[in-house]
Order: sequence, then structure tokens, then C-alpha cells
Amino acid sequence: GQNIDQPTEMTATEGAIVQINCTYQTSGFNGLFWYQQHAGEAPTFLSYNVLDGLEEKGRFSSFLSRSKGYSYLLLKELQMKDSASYLCASTSGTYKYIFGTGTRLKVLA
Amino acid sequence: DGGITQSPKYLFRKEGQNVTLSCEQNLNHDAMYWYRQDPGQGLRLIYYSQIVNDFQKGDIAEGYSVSREKKESFPLTVTSAQKNPTAFYLCASSIPDRGLKFFGPGTRLTVL
Repeated sequence: GQNIDQPTEMTATEGAIVQINCTYQTSGFNGLFWYQQHAGEAPTFLSYNVLDGLEEKGRFSSFLSRSKGYSYLLLKELQMKDSASYLCASTSGTYKYIFGTGTRLKVLA
Repeated sequence: DGGITQSPKYLFRKEGQNVTLSCEQNLNHDAMYWYRQDPGQGLRLIYYSQIVNDFQKGDIAEGYSVSREKKESFPLTVTSAQKNPTAFYLCASSIPDRGLKFFGPGTRLTVL
């Protein structure tokens, strides 16, 4: 079957580090995407992992383990503007994307 | 600047009326998609198009129709057959094998 799981909600303090986990079961897996979505807005692309390992992009990093069906998004030096939902999506083939329900992150001062 | 435009941002319709949501892109992408997002749920695929004059049903196509007469445009019609049309509708486009990286700003449809 096709399934993605991620926590519903997380809370962290400004300046801290937070890790948002995502597990997936996708036939024909072709990569893992992370998006940020502020309330009432469209998702914006953050990262794409197709090979195992860590991809670093500024304050954001994403990790993938294909053998474990597991990914995480790491946010460092949290800022208030990072308060948003973070969506994990796996790909199956060229045009098929399976989205998780999103993790709502609250950053507290 | 290249991007995807959707109009209008907010749309109100009476129950039983068909409504068409616009999606235009100037990124020269072949593939275009329509997703629906409901509160507390992930994005669900309604229709996608790989190329002009071709489109495929997604997971929740019932009650929706699309057309792809031009590369830049992929309008979505929400028909009266759609039982729960109130939702946030997102259009997206991509270059195949480069991943889904571009979304339009979305249209929030409310059926009264």
C-alpha cells in the first residue's frame, strides 16, 4: 500500500533545533520531498532526497534512509517565521506524489 | 518572473452550480496538476496532465473535470456532482523527473 506518517504537531523554542520525522511505505519509490506551508498559503518546496544520506541547505537539512522507509527534516536556529506546517511527500513514478497530513510546528519565544 | 497564477483567491458559489478554477503557468512545464486540501488532511490528487491534450484521473476525480488545450493553462471545473466541494484547491506544475517544486497560490472555494 501507499502510506505516509508524520507527527501532527510539534512545539519548539526560538533558537533551538527541531527534527520532524516522516515514515513512508511507497511502491516504486522515487524520492522524498519536504515542503513548508504557512496557514492559508500554498506549499513551498524545501528539499528533495532520492539517495540515502543528509542534504544540507542553510538552516534546513533533510535525511533519507530508503531501507528503513524513513526521512527527517532538521531545522536549526529556529525563528518565529518557521512556525508553519511541514509536509512530507513520497513519489511513486514520475507523476504520482503521496502527501502526509503535515506536521504543524509552533515556535515559541 | 516565472510562476503559476490561480484565480480567484476566494470563490463563493451556491450549491448545485458548476464553477471553473483557473490555473496558468509561464514556466514552460509540460506537467500540470490539481490537488485538493482539506483541514487536517494531506494534498489529494484530482487530475494531472503530462502534455497538452492529455490528462489522467487522480485519486479523487469524481465530480471534477479538466481540459488542457494549451501548455500554459489547466482549468478545473467543479461540477454539481461533487458532494463536498468546499476546500482549498492547489494547482502545480513540474518538469518530469525534476520533482514537484512549484505550486500556485491556491483558490479557496466555499459552496453555500
